[in-house]
Amino acid sequence: AQKVTQVQTEISVVEKEDVTLDCVYETRDTTYYLFWYKQPPSGELVFLIRRNSFDEQNEISGRYSWNFQKSTSSFNFTITASQVVDSAVYFCALSEGNYGQNFVFGPGTRLSVLP
Amino acid sequence: DAGVIQSPRHEVTEMGQEVTLRCKPISGHNSLFWYRQTMMRGLELLIYFNNNVPIDDSGMPEDRFSAKMPNASFSTLKIQPSEPRDSAVYFCASSFLRLAGGFFRNEQFFGPGTRLTVL
Repeated sequence: AQKVTQVQTEISVVEKEDVTLDCVYETRDTTYYLFWYKQPPSGELVFLIRRNSFDEQNEISGRYSWNFQKSTSSFNFTITASQVVDSAVYFCALSEGNYGQNFVFGPGTRLSVLP
Repeated sequence: DAGVIQSPRHEVTEMGQEVTLRCKPISGHNSLFWYRQTMMRGLELLIYFNNNVPIDDSGMPEDRFSAKMPNASFSTLKIQPSEPRDSAVYFCASSFLRLAGGFFRNEQFFGPGTRLTVL
């Protein structure tokens, strides 16, 4: 069965600090997909990134970067120079199978960025 | 472009009443998903449809829950009768499932959610 673990329940940082959110997953499939979503205080879920299991290249998008390591079954998310607007709950998710539609979400990490 | 639209945004009802939640997916998307979010259980997938056909409803908690997708632009999630433990935020999401470079593009885009309170 697929499983996603986010051991950090809550993180607080001061603005401009870098912060890394950890995600560890379990799956028996060789083809799977990993995602990160952001849920700001307003409540909606915002898609951030999708990765397939054969693409281990790190990705950078502005202040956001993702590190995918199959050897440790991890898909970590780093925010550089954090801002107050980054305060949100961040969810890591995994889907497996041919179509990869059955998402399993981790419990989320609540990030508070203090001014 | 309009995102996923859900209505109502908030619903307060009494135990035993029927509740209907509505969702309009992003135009052109071929898959639709219903999720429930609670503090205790987090985000749970309830059911999803491909091309209006239910594919997996194993997450639907009980027979009191039912979902329909009569056409590509509308879906409902119904709870009858409702119970206090059904109180949660219900999200609808849609995706445009397609092959790209040998892998599926399957990212889901979520609506704003419906906050349901059953008294």
